[in-house]
Amino acid sequence: AQTVTQSQPEMSVQEAETVTLSCTYDTSESNYYLFWYKQPPSRQMILVIRQEAYKQQNATENRFSVNFQKAAKSFSLKISDSQLGDTAMYFCAFMTPTQGGSEKLVFGKGTKLTVNP
Amino acid sequence: DTEVTQTPKHLVMGMTNKKSLKCEQHMGHRAMYWYKQKAKKPPELMFVYSYEKLSINESVPSRFSPECPNSSLLNLHLHALQPEDSALYLCASSQSYMNTEAFFGQGTRLTVV
Repeated sequence: AQTVTQSQPEMSVQEAETVTLSCTYDTSESNYYLFWYKQPPSRQMILVIRQEAYKQQNATENRFSVNFQKAAKSFSLKISDSQLGDTAMYFCAFMTPTQGGSEKLVFGKGTKLTVNP
Repeated sequence: DTEVTQTPKHLVMGMTNKKSLKCEQHMGHRAMYWYKQKAKKPPELMFVYSYEKLSINESVPSRFSPECPNSSLLNLHLHALQPEDSALYLCASSQSYMNTEAFFGQGTRLTVV
């Protein structure tokens, strides 16, 4: 069974600074995707960034980047130049194909990030 | 259109009521999901439909009954719920076969009284 572990229940950062959220996962699959989702108080789950396991290059999306260490099964999210709007719950998620042609998206427990002015 | 639309946004129902949650997407996605999310917890997968067929049922009690009338619509029929079923119910869709990420709706906040 796949598991996703986020070891930091809560974090805070000052506006304009950089913060890193950690995530580790466990799987025996070779083909999978990893995601970071953001869930603000509005409760909409919003995709922040995705990483394909077969790609060695770390994904980046503007101020968001990941450090993907496949051998260590680690997938951390770095947020640069933090903004007040980044305040949210951040979930690390793992997706793998299942029999029947669908995918199963498994979430970590989340890290609550607060950006302080 | 990259939206997943869920209705209603809020629902209060008694334990003897029958109600339905609705989810709609027009992105041509072939996989649709129902998740249950309790406060301060991650979403928990309930059901997955792939090409309009139920492909995953995560041992969900029969008082929750999913339905996929067509490739754009996903319903969750509720009957005889318990107060502990109160939660945020999230619908999501994806293109299937790991082509893309899952897009989520804003959820239905369900309260069972």
